Amino acid sequence: QVQLVESGGGLGKPGGSLRLSCAASGFTFSDYYMSWIRQAPGKGLEWVSYISGSGSTIYSADSLKGRFTISRDNAKNSLYLQMNSLRAEDTAVYYCAKRGFGESVFDYWGQGALVTVSS
Amino acid sequence: QSVLTQPPSASGTPGQRVTISCSGSSSNIGSNTVNWYQHLPGTAPKLLIYSNNQRPSGVPDRFSGSKSGTSASLAISGLQSEDEADYYCAAWDDSLNGVVFGGGTKLTVL
Repeated sequence: QVQLVESGGGLGKPGGSLRLSCAASGFTFSDYYMSWIRQAPGKGLEWVSYISGSGSTIYSADSLKGRFTISRDNAKNSLYLQMNSLRAEDTAVYYCAKRGFGESVFDYWGQGALVTVSS
Repeated sequence: QSVLTQPPSASGTPGQRVTISCSGSSSNIGSNTVNWYQHLPGTAPKLLIYSNNQRPSGVPDRFSGSKSGTSASLAISGLQSEDEADYYCAAWDDSLNGVVFGGGTKLTVL
């Protein structure tokens, strides 16, 4: 069955960097777009970024461009999110999700990784 | 401020039918399909409805979706206590070139 397991969350300092990873299994990873979605405490879901199966196409939320970078390693069945210039408002649970049939269809989600940005 | 607008809360008693609305614009709901997610705190969100009105395997037929113009709705009939959760609508936005979510609706089963 499909499994998505995030790792790399934790405490980051304002202005610092963190890298999230998502290990995928149970499907042909390179065939699917993957995405990161986050939820800040007490807030709703916010889409962060998308990457195509080959990695050649990337879409990102305008508000995060230049600070967050999505990437993937199909040989390792892994998805990544490099987060730079961290801000307090980046504190959130970050979910890795597999795209289904349609641009905003996320048919499988990981359990999430908590990122806390604080000095 | 979310691009898609949902009521912050909704409620109903067991057995009732409730609907949750999602309002957007021509660049998102008006030109793309709408999907709905159910999210219980501390768990992974779950795809509930895709392509406006399709249910993934395993989702009870008590859940249904519809879309008209720039608005969409999620209906839950035969409300059960386990339906108490947050519900989100989502769509692709052609102007933003990205996915937009509604702000979420907290459903309470009284």
